[in-house]
Amino acid sequence: QKEVEQNSGPLSVPEGAIASLNCTYSDRGSQSFFWYRQYSGKSPELIMSIYSNGDKEDGRFTAQLNKASQYVSLLIRDSQPSDSATYLCAVNRGNFNKFYFGSGTKLNVKP
Amino acid sequence: SAVISQKPSRDICQRGTSLTIQCQVDSQVTMMFWYRQQPGQSLTLIATANQGSEATYESGFVIDKFPISRPNLTFSTLTVSNMSPEDSSIYLCSAVQTGANVLTFGAGSRLTVL
Repeated sequence: QKEVEQNSGPLSVPEGAIASLNCTYSDRGSQSFFWYRQYSGKSPELIMSIYSNGDKEDGRFTAQLNKASQYVSLLIRDSQPSDSATYLCAVNRGNFNKFYFGSGTKLNVKP
Repeated sequence: SAVISQKPSRDICQRGTSLTIQCQVDSQVTMMFWYRQQPGQSLTLIATANQGSEATYESGFVIDKFPISRPNLTFSTLTVSNMSPEDSSIYLCSAVQTGANVLTFGAGSRLTVL
């Protein structure tokens, strides 16, 4: 079983719609959860981090965490073509521990 | 967040040779990691670079093939030894800045083995 699992997509949404990206993880000891965005040919960049159950909002992005279900999601409101990228979910077991990445979900936002 | 510089940014190498990738961070970091990203794939952790001691390798990666050094808190090297075409990949240096639990990446080193 993989540490972190994501639907590879591609996920296609029209411009202005809400994009919903999902991720599950296997280790109940995981404490920190992250969403990274990776444009083609570029390295991953951090979008959001979340540590507690519930929602965390930052601009058009909302991260949701449910530790009981071992589930993390990312919502992108008012999706823009510039949001088209691969979104990587990552988990960490706490300080001084490794970061494990899912396979990524490719998002296409169509004008 | 920390700024991570990697070099070379890309290289084309012959089968059987070795290449060393350098990673320099502009501030003190606690953890440094090396990842590999093969074409169209996600990130695979190669190893944790430990300051002043041997790196900790993930399953499937060995020191003879991927020797790693970290002589101080802000610098690390990854060598890809005895390269074959299967080693063609992007190699990414990453680090966790002291006082933060966020992973930052360098721009990556794109390696092509002929």
